[in-house]
This record gives sequence, C-alpha cells and structure tokens, in this order.
Amino acid sequence: RKEVEQDPGPFNVPEGATVAFNCTYSNSASQSFFWYRQDCRKEPKLLMSVYSSGNEDGRFTAQLNRASQYISLLIRDSKLSDSATYLCVSDAGNMLTFGGGTRLMVKP
Amino acid sequence: GAGVSQSPSNKVTEKGKDVELRCDPISGHTALYWYRQSLGQGLEFLIYFQGNSAPDKSGLPSDRFSAERTGGSVSTLTIQRTQQEDSAVYLCASSLGSGQGVPSSYNEQFFGPGTRLTVL
Repeated sequence: RKEVEQDPGPFNVPEGATVAFNCTYSNSASQSFFWYRQDCRKEPKLLMSVYSSGNEDGRFTAQLNRASQYISLLIRDSKLSDSATYLCVSDAGNMLTFGGGTRLMVKP
Repeated sequence: GAGVSQSPSNKVTEKGKDVELRCDPISGHTALYWYRQSLGQGLEFLIYFQGNSAPDKSGLPSDRFSAERTGGSVSTLTIQRTQQEDSAVYLCASSLGSGQGVPSSYNEQFFGPGTRLTVL
C-alpha cells in the first residue's frame, strides 16, 4: 500500500462546478499536509498548507480528518485555469511523501 | 526573491555518458531535495540534504547516481554511464529546514523548474 494514495482521475468537470478530491495517508505520525498543483511539463507549486483541521483560501478549502487519515481538497466555482494535477503531500517531520496526483480537467 | 534554479533546463546525452545536473536552492534554505519524474508519473524521491548532516541517499536507484552539496548551498546530481531508463525530469526542491521540532511551515518545499534529461 502506498503511503499517500490519490485517485489519479481524470476528473472532468464543467466550468463553475464544485469538485472535491480525497487523499488517504497511512503514516499516523504525519503532522501536517500540503496540496501542490502541477501543470503539464512544469514543476509542482505549493497551493495550500494544512496544519490543523483545515485551511481555506478563496475558492480552495482543504480539510483534514485525522481519525480516518484523509485530507480533502474542495475547489468551488472551478475555472479553466484550475486544470492541472493536484498532489497531496504528507509531512511526518523528516520527509515529505507525495501522492501520485489527481488530474483535473475543467471544460468550458 | 529568487526561487530555486536548475541548470541545464534540457540535456540530451548518449547512452553511457556521464551527466551533471545543478541546483541552486533559495538563499537561507538549509534543506535540499532531488526528485525524478518520468512522463505521466509521480515524483520519485532520490536524495535529501539537511544542513551539515549526512545526506539521506535512500532513494538513489543505483550506484551510478550520486549527489553533492557544497558549502551548504549549491548541489550537483551526477549520473554516471547513463541508461535510457534514466530519461526523466530531475527536480530539485529546497525548504527552510527539516526534521522534528521545526515549525511545520519550515518543511514547505519550493521546486525548481527541473532539468529534462533525454538519454539516446
């Protein structure tokens, strides 16, 4: 079993839709989490950090459920420019562990 | 301020040749990481440097791969006797610090643009 698991997708959604991705992690020592966004043939860029139960930044909301060991990312009012791969990352204090990513495609 | 930089951006080499890839981390970042990403695949951890500690080489796929970090700043990843399966994008990232006891924000990694390696 991978340490951080994500549904690879793709998630195909119309512009304006709300979409949510889940990510499960197996290392109970993980203290904090990150969501990165990676555009095609580009490097990952930090989207959001999650240090407690969740975080919200504009159209993006991340929620952490420690009991069930999953993190979610919710994108509201999706834009064409949100099309990318979203990487879930866990931090157990010594190393970041990256999930394989979920691909999102927002269509007009 | 300046982000993580990597050079070259693209490298085409022949099978059996050695290559060196360079990473300049963000100034003041003590932790530096190398990853590899094949087309359509996830990130594969290679090696990690934290300050003056011995590097964590647990992700290096073979003894053809090695990395150095001079003066706690610039890092060079060397691949000897390249093989076609080494073709990938090699990404470098840095963070303020790493390990137990540091604020969680210190572990936020910032990536360079990568070096696309093609082995013919």
